[in-house]
Amino acid sequence: AQKVTQVQTEISVVEKEDVTLDCVYETRDTTYYLFWYKQPPSGELVFLIRRNSFDEQNEISGRYSWNFQKSTSSFNFTITASQVVDSAVYFCARQGSSNTGKLIFGQGTTLQVKP
Amino acid sequence: DAGVIQSPRHEVTEMGQEVTLRCKPISGHNSLFWYRQTMMRGLELLIYFNNNVPIDDSGMPEDRFSAKMPNASFSTLKIQPSEPRDSAVYFCASSLRGNEQFFGPGTRLTVL
Repeated sequence: AQKVTQVQTEISVVEKEDVTLDCVYETRDTTYYLFWYKQPPSGELVFLIRRNSFDEQNEISGRYSWNFQKSTSSFNFTITASQVVDSAVYFCARQGSSNTGKLIFGQGTTLQVKP
Repeated sequence: DAGVIQSPRHEVTEMGQEVTLRCKPISGHNSLFWYRQTMMRGLELLIYFNNNVPIDDSGMPEDRFSAKMPNASFSTLKIQPSEPRDSAVYFCASSLRGNEQFFGPGTRLTVL
């Protein structure tokens, strides 16, 4: 199966620390899409980013940044200067080249940011 | 603009009863997805529709599960008869032409 693996199951940091969540994926597609979603304690799934496999530029959005390394099939997510409100479960996901179909999710990384 | 709307938010039922979950996608979106989230299996796709037509239902657990999308603004996921192992959070998501999927708040189903 072309799965998505999130290396860390749980991470605990102290506020203001930087933290990186690792994601490794498998795919036979030449074109595909990668995603990160956040699931806070309230339970909803919040879209964070979508990345095309042809675009290997790193992306920064405020305190969030993403590092896409096609050579190692990784799409890692870094939070800089973490805050308590960042505490959540974060999911990495992959979508196949059809671009209309399902997301394959990793098992999630639970991030706890302590004050 | 309203996001994806799901109802009910919580459902408690007894084994053997029929359960119907409802979803209203974001207006203008042409793809709709039903996912299930459990501790054991994580997030998994059950079925998705493009332009109201079911495209991939390979994730539907068994014949007890059925889904319909009679029009672009409404979909249902039905479980009949329900079993305790169906207890999970069921998410509906929608997207426009395969772009990012936006999720509803989910329905937490408990089957006793």
